[in-house]
Amino acid sequence: GAVVSQHPSWVICKSGTSVKIECRSLDFQATTMFWYRQFPKQSLMLMATSNEGSKATYEQGVEKDKFLINHASLTLSTLTVTSAHPEDSSFYICSANRDLSTDTQYFGPGTRLTVL
Amino acid sequence: AQSVTQLDSQVPVFEEAPVELRCNYSSSVSVYLFWYVQYPNQGLQLLLKYLSGSTLVKGINGFEAEFNKSQTSFHLRKPSVHISDTAEYFCAVLYTGGFKTIFGAGTRLFVKA
Repeated sequence: GAVVSQHPSWVICKSGTSVKIECRSLDFQATTMFWYRQFPKQSLMLMATSNEGSKATYEQGVEKDKFLINHASLTLSTLTVTSAHPEDSSFYICSANRDLSTDTQYFGPGTRLTVL
Repeated sequence: AQSVTQLDSQVPVFEEAPVELRCNYSSSVSVYLFWYVQYPNQGLQLLLKYLSGSTLVKGINGFEAEFNKSQTSFHLRKPSVHISDTAEYFCAVLYTGGFKTIFGAGTRLFVKA
């Protein structure tokens, strides 16, 4: 149990286009999902916390108009990178708290975004 | 500020040798502690966690960790490593009452034949 999927696993896009990444909890309800960004050989940087049915909470320094987050259901959160630029290229990872638990996070496999 | 320190960025070790990956956190208030493993181009997999109770926690793949409140540490150990243990290991802390998990910078374990 506690499986989180992400789609796509990798994506290449042209500069200026928008890219949507999906995060799904496959066998549990996720009231809260988290979006992280990871640069090569670095730790995870929390971008935002996504709560079902409400606006996401963004970390300081993260542009909410550029990284749009929608948590429309208890099993799906999406991250849309708008007007992508090469510096947005990164590994994006989502995670979810299972049911109402707030301790353990379950991570998706990540999405590799490359912006040309 | 709350922080998590993984003292070693890289740990090379020979196969079948024991290993310890160190983790310290900044505050002695009540915490939940985690170790995650990340293989290349993959997400994070939970190795083990400490929420309460016994300070020695056993996880998957033969790993264990010990919570030491006085030293604010949660070091990860394995008595005999395999080549397949080569990966990045992240220590993480969730301060109870809080909402965000704080991750250490990671330690790359490299197991040599």
